[in-house]
Amino acid sequence: QQQVKQSPQSLIVQKGGISIINCAYENTAFDYFPWYQQFPGKGPALLIAIRPDVSEKKEGRFTISFNKSAKQFSLHIMDSQPGDSATYFCAARREAGYALNFGKGTSLLVTP
Amino acid sequence: GAGVSQSPSNKVTEKGKDVELRCDPISGHTALYWYRQSLGQGLEFLIYFQGNSAPDKSGLPSDRFSAERTGGSVSTLTIQRTQQEDSAVYLCASSPGQGLGTQYFGPGTRLLVL
Repeated sequence: QQQVKQSPQSLIVQKGGISIINCAYENTAFDYFPWYQQFPGKGPALLIAIRPDVSEKKEGRFTISFNKSAKQFSLHIMDSQPGDSATYFCAARREAGYALNFGKGTSLLVTP
Repeated sequence: GAGVSQSPSNKVTEKGKDVELRCDPISGHTALYWYRQSLGQGLEFLIYFQGNSAPDKSGLPSDRFSAERTGGSVSTLTIQRTQQEDSAVYLCASSPGQGLGTQYFGPGTRLLVL
């Protein structure tokens, strides 16, 4: 069963706009939440990650917002650029665990 | 330094044949993972190796799937008697620590079973 639910499945944003991708989880034992970016023909690459002791983490144009009580987290891409067009996966891992549980991915297209 | 490499990049096989997929992790990384990415799905964990410890095979979907890691480095994922539902991208990742830290992914092997 899918332990991490991701939405939307696809997203189209104009250049300069804000892209928002949401994820939800059920397992309260999860304590590490990374986002991966994947370009066609490439493996996923870590974009940004957060632990539940903080509510927000920002790296450049990318921000993770984390709501522990709602068991939700989201990725915000500010000033979206055509080069951001890719598939984005959220994931979660339990404490002292190792296997990442991935969402199904969001295909983002940023139009010029 | 080189990243995770996988071979072959693409593999087409006939139903019922066996296939071997290879992964070369980043040098010095002790942890190695295999995931499967089916069309429209997220990545599904298959197996995890850490150093010389017994691997965690809990994600393998059937006994047709097996994997080994020789010398704590290169890993091979073997699928016996392939089925059409085995068609997917098989991704390998490695990380420096004992299951913790960033997992670095290879480009994957695209397997098509006819």
